[in-house]
Amino acid sequence: QKEVEQNSGPLSVPEGAIASLNCTYSDRGSQSFFWYRQYSGKSPELIMFIYSNGDKEDGRFTAQLNKASQYVSLLIRDSQPSDSATYLCAVRGSNTGKLIFGQGTTLQVKP
Amino acid sequence: GAGVSQSPSNKVTEKGKDVELRCDPISGHTALYWYRQRLGQGLEFLIYFQGNSAPDKSGLPSDRFSAERTGESVSTLTIQRTQQEDSAVYLCASSESYEQYFGPGTRLTVT
Repeated sequence: QKEVEQNSGPLSVPEGAIASLNCTYSDRGSQSFFWYRQYSGKSPELIMFIYSNGDKEDGRFTAQLNKASQYVSLLIRDSQPSDSATYLCAVRGSNTGKLIFGQGTTLQVKP
Repeated sequence: GAGVSQSPSNKVTEKGKDVELRCDPISGHTALYWYRQRLGQGLEFLIYFQGNSAPDKSGLPSDRFSAERTGESVSTLTIQRTQQEDSAVYLCASSESYEQYFGPGTRLTVT
């Protein structure tokens, strides 16, 4: 079992719709959770991080964490073509500073 | 201010040669990370430096890989006797707390 799992996609949504990206992790002691966006040929950039159960909202983005289910998600409201990218989920385990990344989900927003 | 910089941006080398990749972190960032990203894949953790603590080398794939960091500044990743499977983008990131800031990466091609 991979430590951090994501559906590779592609996930295709129409412009204006809600995109839902999901991630599961295996280390129950994981402390904090990150969503990065990576455009083709570019480096990852942080969108959001979350470390408490529940929802965290920032503009059009909402991160959701459920530690009991070992599940974290990212919702993108009013999706735009410029949101088309690969979204990487990353998890920081207990007693460590390193991040373990999933393989990423490719999102395509169709105009 | 200046972000994370990496050099060279591209490196083509022959199988069996040694290569050195350089990372200049953001000034004042105590943590520095190296990742490898193969085409279409997620980020693979290689090594993590935190201040003066012993580095976390748990992600280095073989003893051909090594890394050093001078204090809280420059880091070099060395790959000895390169193999074709080493071809990838090598990303460096630095951090002072939760957020990791990534450099532009070095694209390594082993022929």
